[in-house]
Amino acid sequence: GQNIDQPTEMTATEGAIVQINCTYQTSGFNGLFWYQQHAGEAPTFLSYNVLDGLEEKGRFSSFLSRSKGYSYLLLKELQMKDSASYLCAVRDRAGGFKTIFGAGTRLFVKA
Amino acid sequence: GAGVSQSPSNKVTEKGKDVELRCDPISGHTALYWYRQRLGQGLEFLIYFQGNSAPDKSGLPSDRFSAERTGESVSTLTIQRTQQEDSAVYLCASSPVSNNPTSKRDNPYEQYFGPGTRLTVT
Repeated sequence: GQNIDQPTEMTATEGAIVQINCTYQTSGFNGLFWYQQHAGEAPTFLSYNVLDGLEEKGRFSSFLSRSKGYSYLLLKELQMKDSASYLCAVRDRAGGFKTIFGAGTRLFVKA
Repeated sequence: GAGVSQSPSNKVTEKGKDVELRCDPISGHTALYWYRQRLGQGLEFLIYFQGNSAPDKSGLPSDRFSAERTGESVSTLTIQRTQQEDSAVYLCASSPVSNNPTSKRDNPYEQYFGPGTRLTVT
């Protein structure tokens, strides 16, 4: 089966940098996603990592280490609108390539 | 283009009644997922359809839950004899899941979510 762990909540200050960690255990890793979900809305795609290393996209970057079963999402120059839940999700070759989501990390950005 | 649509957007039902939730995926997307999200919680995987393969039903919480998909189009999630603990937002997502993405910018595994159906069982 799969197991995905991420912190429940984090708080950071506007303009700062925050790193949200995700660890996973899966039998057939085939990619890791980060999604953003604002309260009352559907999740939206942020990033996808399948190889080790850092993927940068504007203010957001995502890192993957497959040997450690570890990823992080880095948010720079935080804005109030970044207050949301950030969901780590893993695609698993076992069981037909389905994607399983972690419980999410609720990020609060304060002024 | 059109995104994933779900209907109804809200459903209030009495305990014991059956409900049917509908999802229209993005045209051409071969994969379709159903998730349940309780208030303040993460996404709970329910069922996954991939092309003509047998669906992965491993996330369905009980035999009161079932889902069908017609080819690579619309899907319905049915909950029989609803219980109060079934109250949640039910999210549907589709993804291309192509092994030959048409452009480097395409992510074949990205899931596109619908707006969800908020189910309240009274």
